[in-house]
Amino acid sequence: DADVTQTPRNRITKTGKRIMLECSQTKGHDRMYWYRQDPGLGLQLIYYSFDVKDINKGEISDGYSVSRQAQAKFSLSLESAIPNQTALYFCATSDFHNEQFFGPGTRLTVL
Amino acid sequence: DAKTTQPPSMDCAEGRAANLPCNHSTISGNEYVYWYRQIHSQGPQYIIHGLKNNETNEMASLIITEDRKSSTLILPHATLRDTAVYYCIVITQGGSEKLVFGKGTKLTVNP
Repeated sequence: DADVTQTPRNRITKTGKRIMLECSQTKGHDRMYWYRQDPGLGLQLIYYSFDVKDINKGEISDGYSVSRQAQAKFSLSLESAIPNQTALYFCATSDFHNEQFFGPGTRLTVL
Repeated sequence: DAKTTQPPSMDCAEGRAANLPCNHSTISGNEYVYWYRQIHSQGPQYIIHGLKNNETNEMASLIITEDRKSSTLILPHATLRDTAVYYCIVITQGGSEKLVFGKGTKLTVNP
């Protein structure tokens, strides 16, 4: 079984809809991250959490929110999706050594 | 300002060594050099990291210059499956700093 899973893997939605992307990990790591990747570009950090009670904004948090329900679960929400949020979204986990383990990604299309 | 500089693209023949350079002239004494790679649309994968000594694992070798201002990732016998974008990242360990993925080097391994 994969160490980091993301659901759904693909999602097509319409402008204005609320969307939740979910991430689960079995690594036992305290740190979890959400990244966004646009075609041909590097990864941009949206939010990160260093433990269950810790939530921090990354480079591009506007239009997004997160929930750390447990050590193993970190969800990303788009409150009102817009077309320029169409991207590939990755969840990752790490211990304090910065060796991050990434999930397979969620491809989100906002029409 | 970017902490690292990498060539945008490189080519390598299958079976030959791939040597990927990275400049990090402003690296501080407690910062490590991390390498990740991303195969097309998959989640990034950790490769190796080091502080000042050369490092080797089952995937690659990392050579860091004595002044630590540059490093080279070596894939000793590149295969077609090594075609990916390779990211060099400088970061401290254990703190609140986050990984910053730049544009990396697109390595193409040719048959």
